[in-house]
Amino acid sequence: GENVEQHPSTLSVQEGDSAVIKCTYSDSASNYFPWYKQELGKRPQLIIDIRSNVGEKKDQRIAVTLNKTAKHFSLHITETQPEDSAVYFCAAIATGTASKLTFGTGTRLQVTL
Amino acid sequence: NAGVTQTPKFQVLKTGQSMTLQCAQDMNHEYMSWYRQDPGMGLRLIHYSVGAGITDQGEVPNGYNVSRSTTEDFPLRLLSAAPSQTSVYFCASSFGQGGRADTQYFGPGTRLTVL
Repeated sequence: GENVEQHPSTLSVQEGDSAVIKCTYSDSASNYFPWYKQELGKRPQLIIDIRSNVGEKKDQRIAVTLNKTAKHFSLHITETQPEDSAVYFCAAIATGTASKLTFGTGTRLQVTL
Repeated sequence: NAGVTQTPKFQVLKTGQSMTLQCAQDMNHEYMSWYRQDPGMGLRLIHYSVGAGITDQGEVPNGYNVSRSTTEDFPLRLLSAAPSQTSVYFCASSFGQGGRADTQYFGPGTRLTVL
C-alpha cells in the first residue's frame, strides 16, 4: 500500500518568514495530493491540493509543488502569520481506489512574533 | 447543509464496554471513511465505504465494525473497548468519483477515552 513520509515533524519560524514542509510517497499510481491544516481541537481542513498532471499550484500565500519523478511534494507558506500556527498534514491517494487517503504524520508549525 | 456531523463529541468508556460512534453527511457523498488520530501518528484509516451496502477495511480495522445501510449514515461500532482505542475519531466523506470529488470533508471528531 501507499506510504507517505512527512518532514519536519516540528517547524518554528518567525512571523514574515517562509515555511516549507516536505512529503514523499511510495505508490507511483498516486495522483492526488491534498494538504490539510488542523488547528488545536479542530477537524482537518483542506487548504490546497494538487493533481499529478500539474507541477505547481498557488493560492495566495500558499503553494504546493509536485515532483512525480522523485515522488516528492511540498507545501510552501510565504509571509507567515501567527494564525498559520497549526498542524499540517500531507496526504496521497490513487483516484479510483475508493478514496483511501494515506496521511503523513503531520508537521507542527509555530509562527513566533 | 450541515456537512459531516458526528456524535457524541466526547465519550468515556470502561474496558469491555461497547458503543457506537455516529456519523452522518447531507452532501449525498458516496464515499465515507473513519479515521483515528493519535499523537505523532497522523490519521489512520479504520474502515471505509464506497456506497450503501459496501464496506471494507482500512489500515487499523481490528476491534471495530461498520455498516452502511444508507448513503447518509456510517456508524462505527466498538465491540469491546480497550485502552488502546483511546483516540480522537474522525469521520470523512467525499463524492469519490475522481477530480474534485476526491476532496474529503471531515466531521468535528469524537474524543474517546477508555479506562
